[in-house]
Amino acid sequence: NAGVMQNPRHLVRRRGQEARLRCSPMKGHSHVYWYRQLPEEGLKFMVYLQKENIIDESGMPKERFSAEFPKEGPSILRIQQVVRGDSAAYFCASSTAATNEKLFFGSGTQLSVL
Amino acid sequence: GENVEQHPSTLSVQEGDSAVIKCTYSDSASNYFPWYKQELGKGPQLIIDIRSNVGEKKDQRIAVTLNKTAKHFSLHITETQPEDSAVYFCAAETYKYIFGTGTRLKVLA
Repeated sequence: NAGVMQNPRHLVRRRGQEARLRCSPMKGHSHVYWYRQLPEEGLKFMVYLQKENIIDESGMPKERFSAEFPKEGPSILRIQQVVRGDSAAYFCASSTAATNEKLFFGSGTQLSVL
Repeated sequence: GENVEQHPSTLSVQEGDSAVIKCTYSDSASNYFPWYKQELGKGPQLIIDIRSNVGEKKDQRIAVTLNKTAKHFSLHITETQPEDSAVYFCAAETYKYIFGTGTRLKVLA
């Protein structure tokens, strides 16, 4: 049973370009979370999605950032017109249910904006 | 909003000694408290968790205690080994998971 799969592992973009980060949850998991981590810092909640629904996006900037989790295919975190401050590690995690269930993380995508 | 505080931010112990990391949370509706270990360049790995109807849970050298009244929970690692060196995160969950700021544990050989 494969774990949470994220790709790419490393992504380099120039300022103004778009970044698309992909996350395939564990088999049987229908809840996906995205977190952002700066060096030497903790995990900051960005967005929580179920299939085809955004449940909570309170941690995601209103502009340039969007997330989706379609009925088929991976969850996508999209960052438009990237700026240097977007450079960070972005982690996806998945679980089977909304509450009281184990959360499993992927290996992350390291985004570097030049 | 929800908040989880974690202490200490760094912790150095001699191999074989015990390590204790403490967290407090603000949302009394939180019912699930996992702990994660993150090694350099990797994603966080779940190492132990506890639910609000339990006061203590142990798994070999790792134990977690929960005091719901005081909104405190702690991670205890006994007989520490160099491979325990990593960053440890606590979290509190209602429907989303809020993480502490992390503790960098160094086990000195």
